[in-house]
Amino acid sequence: DAKTTQPPSMDCAEGRAANLPCNHSTISGNEYVYWYRQIHSQGPQYIIHGLKNNKTNEMASLIITEDRKSSTLILPHATLRDTAVYYCIVRPYNNNDMRFGAGTRLTVKP
Amino acid sequence: DTAVSQTPKYLVTQMGNDKSIKCEQNLGHDTMYWYKQDSKKFLKIMFSYNNKELIINETVPNRFSPKSPDKAHLNLHINSLELGDSAVYFCASSQVSVRSSPLHFGNGTRLTVT
Repeated sequence: DAKTTQPPSMDCAEGRAANLPCNHSTISGNEYVYWYRQIHSQGPQYIIHGLKNNKTNEMASLIITEDRKSSTLILPHATLRDTAVYYCIVRPYNNNDMRFGAGTRLTVKP
Repeated sequence: DTAVSQTPKYLVTQMGNDKSIKCEQNLGHDTMYWYKQDSKKFLKIMFSYNNKELIINETVPNRFSPKSPDKAHLNLHINSLELGDSAVYFCASSQVSVRSSPLHFGNGTRLTVT
């Protein structure tokens, strides 16, 4: 019952930007957008999160549309080590519950 | 200095046994969680534990019980193990009192029940 929709898989060339889309058309005003990734059965790794403004950190950039119904995670220069399943999650700021969907399997190719 | 650590990394046991998985976090977080990832790779929350308040996912069998000796530890006890319990179990923590605090996960315990 994830509240997000992501493409099941994407490919990206090494060194190019990877743009991962996420639809969350039923997002509520108190819900943040979180991105995680999971590399080959390791623990999910937190990447970035935001409410409505674009965010950038050392790992990625998060672009959230003005109506907040969709977002894009951008890995500016993808490397082979970025191959992973990427999860987009919406969660109220005061809720313990982080619910994962199926995610997008990103394959970075040489 | 791993933030969230779980032991053991691998656990192989027979049906009917009772086993425990340990989790410790050194982030000073106030809430800890257990997640289960089955063979289809879906991650599902099992429990969250905050200041001695336990929130249970209703689909979790009562053979599973979390035990928190202190704020930094949340162990998972499983009684009468079944084949279907085979999965990877992830512990996580967060600071719920900090608005929008993300979860930080351990690297998992792969449980195999034979």
